[in-house]
Amino acid sequence: KAGVTQTPRYLIKTRGQQVTLSCSPISGHRSVSWYQQTPGQGLQFLFEYFSETQRNKGNFPGRFSGRQFSNSRSEMNVSTLELGDSALYLCASSSTSFYEQFFGPGTRLTVL
Amino acid sequence: QKEVEQNSGPLSVPEGAIASLNCTYSDRGSQSFFWYRQYSGKSPELIMSIYSNGDKEDGRFTAQLNKASQYVSLLIRDSQPSDSATYLCAVKGTNAGKSTFGDGTTLTVKP
Repeated sequence: KAGVTQTPRYLIKTRGQQVTLSCSPISGHRSVSWYQQTPGQGLQFLFEYFSETQRNKGNFPGRFSGRQFSNSRSEMNVSTLELGDSALYLCASSSTSFYEQFFGPGTRLTVL
Repeated sequence: QKEVEQNSGPLSVPEGAIASLNCTYSDRGSQSFFWYRQYSGKSPELIMSIYSNGDKEDGRFTAQLNKASQYVSLLIRDSQPSDSATYLCAVKGTNAGKSTFGDGTTLTVKP
């Protein structure tokens, strides 16, 4: 089976812009979770989608949003970017909510 | 108190030694526990999952779970330099609860 794919792999944006990240889970996996990873904060949970419904949400501001499509592909959007949003954004898929998760390679976002 | 705490690193062991990584969690109802390995510049990779009290062995890796003590550990036998990485403990909350990750323990295996 193909693994989790994320696009783009690298992004450079300026403050105030918005960005959309994409994640394609492993075929057959219905759960997609998004995480933010920074050196200071570790791996922080953003949200989880299961069968197109958001089932869990982390403690991030409303500028962070997401959605999942009927083919389980997911997108994450960050509006009004801030310098502190610079991070590695990881997507993980699993067959059921939060069991064994398989991570994509991540999108490295740099906000200037 | 953090929901998932790992022993602070970095941890350094000589090649061939046993590396012991520890994790405690606060949600007593948690049922699913995972260890991930993350090499520098890469994404986390699942190496072990454990759901029942006791030991689970997979090659050189052994996960140990004690729900009464809310403690899970990972032992790496015959450590190799290629085991040098950050190890993340993840605990899945009750029902459809999210998984929470610890901050990780960085392991260095010296030749």
